[in-house]
Amino acid sequence: GEDVEQSLFLSVREGDSSVINCTYTDSSSTYLYWYKQEPGAGLQLLTYIFSNMDMKQDQRLTVLLNKKDKHLSLRIADTQTGDSAIYFCAEISFSGGYNKLIFGAGTRLAVHP
Amino acid sequence: GAVVSQHPSWVICKSGTSVKIECRSLDFQATTMFWYRQFPKQSLMLMATSNEGSKATYEQGVEKDKFLINHASLTLSTLTVTSAHPEDSSFYICSARTGQAAEGYTFGSGTRLTVV
Repeated sequence: GEDVEQSLFLSVREGDSSVINCTYTDSSSTYLYWYKQEPGAGLQLLTYIFSNMDMKQDQRLTVLLNKKDKHLSLRIADTQTGDSAIYFCAEISFSGGYNKLIFGAGTRLAVHP
Repeated sequence: GAVVSQHPSWVICKSGTSVKIECRSLDFQATTMFWYRQFPKQSLMLMATSNEGSKATYEQGVEKDKFLINHASLTLSTLTVTSAHPEDSSFYICSARTGQAAEGYTFGSGTRLTVV
C-alpha cells in the first residue's frame, strides 16, 4: 500500500538551512508535493516536483528527488522564524478510481534565534 | 488562484448531536472533493472522496453512516458528523481538485470540532 514517511522534528537556528526528508512508496506518483501547515490552519502548497525531474528550485526552496530511492527532500535556505510550521510531503496515489494525496506524518520545524 | 472556503472554522457541540461542515469552491467547479481528518500532532488521514452527483467513496475503516457526505453541486460538499462523541473531536480539512495538473489540490482552512 501507499506510505509516506518523514522525520517528525527538526530544530534549526535562524539563518541556517533546513533540510526535511521524506520517503515514499508509490513509484507511479507523477507529482510529489510539499505543504506547509501553520497552527490551526489548513495546508498551503509550498512547491511540487514532477517525477521526471531531479531538482526544482523556487527562491529559498530547493526540492531534490531521488526516484530510484524514492526519496524527496526540501531545503529551506536562510531559515526564518516565520518558517516555523509543520511540513508535509505528499504523493499522489491512484486507488479506488481516483488520484488521492497521501501525506506523511509531517515534520515540525522549529526555528530558534 | 483557486480558493476553497470551509465553514465553520470551529464548532463545539454536545455528545449525541450532529454537526455539518461545508466546503465550497469559490471560483472554480470541483467535481471531486476530499475530506481529511487530523488528530493533534498527526498527519492528515483521508476519510472519503466526495463526488458531485454520486455517492462518496469512503476509505477503509471510516463509518459511512457516521460521516455523511453530500456533494450536491459542483461547488459544495458537506460532511455531517452524526451522533457525535468526544472521540470525534478532531480537525477536519477538505480539499478540492482544481483541474490544473500539478497544483491541482487546494485545501480549506479546516474545522476544529470539539464534542463535549
